[in-house]
Amino acid sequence: AQTVTQSQPEMSVQEAETVTLSCTYDTSESDYYLFWYKQPPSRQMILVIRQEAYKQQNATENRFSVNFQKAAKSFSLKISDSQLGDAAMYFCAVYNFNKFYFGSGTKLNVKP
Amino acid sequence: GAVVSQHPSWVICKSGTSVKIECRSLDFQATTMFWYRQFPKQSLMLMATSNEGSKATYEQGVEKDKFLINHASLTLSTLTVTSAHPEDSSFYICSAGSPTDRGSGYTFGSGTRLTVV
Repeated sequence: AQTVTQSQPEMSVQEAETVTLSCTYDTSESDYYLFWYKQPPSRQMILVIRQEAYKQQNATENRFSVNFQKAAKSFSLKISDSQLGDAAMYFCAVYNFNKFYFGSGTKLNVKP
Repeated sequence: GAVVSQHPSWVICKSGTSVKIECRSLDFQATTMFWYRQFPKQSLMLMATSNEGSKATYEQGVEKDKFLINHASLTLSTLTVTSAHPEDSSFYICSAGSPTDRGSGYTFGSGTRLTVV
């Protein structure tokens, strides 16, 4: 079974500071994709960043970057210069076997 | 960018009635659509995978006769909750894409809040 674990149910960060959300996963496949999604109170799922497992280079999207450790099956999300609009639920997901497998989510609070 | 329209945004129905939820890809063709259910403060639970022109594949524990899924075209999939009961009240989300574009992460609809009274 494919499992995705987010061990931090809730986190808080001061505005303008940096925060890292952790994610570990379990898969027997070598070809898969990893994603971080944001779900604000509107509940619209928004893609934050994605990573192809075959790429060693960590993906970055403006203030968002990942630390992908394939051997450790770890895929953490770093948010730099946190903004109030970053407050949301964040879900880590793995795509393989033609499905997405989601973690349980981390609620991020941003303090002004 | 890719847009997925999901309707209705919210619906209230009486117990025993059926309700249909639509998921449309507006500017791309989606060979695959996923249907999820999300309980408050929980993650997304995959209910079924819908492939255009074929029968949906349901996850274990999901009643296929209760949650009817139709994917008749490359831009439209529907989820019909039949004989709805209060325990079916939930937030339902679709996502659309193609296995060849799996690296794109698929695109999510805005969700439907179903309340059965």
